Amino acid sequence: DGGITQSPKYLFRKEGQNVTLSCEQNLNHDAMYWYRQDPGQGLRLIYYSQIVNDFQKGDIAEGYSVSREKKESFPLTVTSAQKNPTAFYLCASSHRRGEAFFGQGTRLTVV
Amino acid sequence: GENVEQHPSTLSVQEGDSAVIKCTYSDSASNYFPWYKQELGKGPQLIIDIRSNVGEKKDQRIAVTLNKTAKHFSLHITETQPEDSAVYFCAQQGGSEKLVFGKGTKLTVNP
Repeated sequence: DGGITQSPKYLFRKEGQNVTLSCEQNLNHDAMYWYRQDPGQGLRLIYYSQIVNDFQKGDIAEGYSVSREKKESFPLTVTSAQKNPTAFYLCASSHRRGEAFFGQGTRLTVV
Repeated sequence: GENVEQHPSTLSVQEGDSAVIKCTYSDSASNYFPWYKQELGKGPQLIIDIRSNVGEKKDQRIAVTLNKTAKHFSLHITETQPEDSAVYFCAQQGGSEKLVFGKGTKLTVNP
């Protein structure tokens, strides 16, 4: 089946730790996105990538890092510099200027 | 900038009534306007989209209208059903190819 897969579904992080969220797609999409969702805040763009080995900061990139070494994969690292990381994280992919498909999300909680 | 304002933030209708959600955007280079539906705990799914060379698009009970001059676009749902209850997001994509979302509208359809 073609689609976009995020893992894990739930993730717990201790304060001061870095954690990496996985996003994989087999839709042959060029563009991939990471969004953060908080209650009442909608979807805020963290990073996006339009081609392999290139990515741009979104509106709330501070405390996050990404890589795009393969077309299929766009992992997001939440670093210890992100002071309020508890949120629902959504990854999406699309052809450039086309419909975006979302994964099922990762819920990150700081413990 | 590439901001999207979405109204209302909550909307409650009786089953069978129509629902309208409106979005305004600021980037005159915006050319792609999708609408997404998100159910609890899941990733958003595309329900309809429109490009800037079209003024209206309809798919069964769902329609989207675009007014480029006024820089606003709207989602219309007719004959609402309880299963239409969800959070709806508008989005826009412009010259930078970022996909920017509104803050969402929680629609409740009362039986």
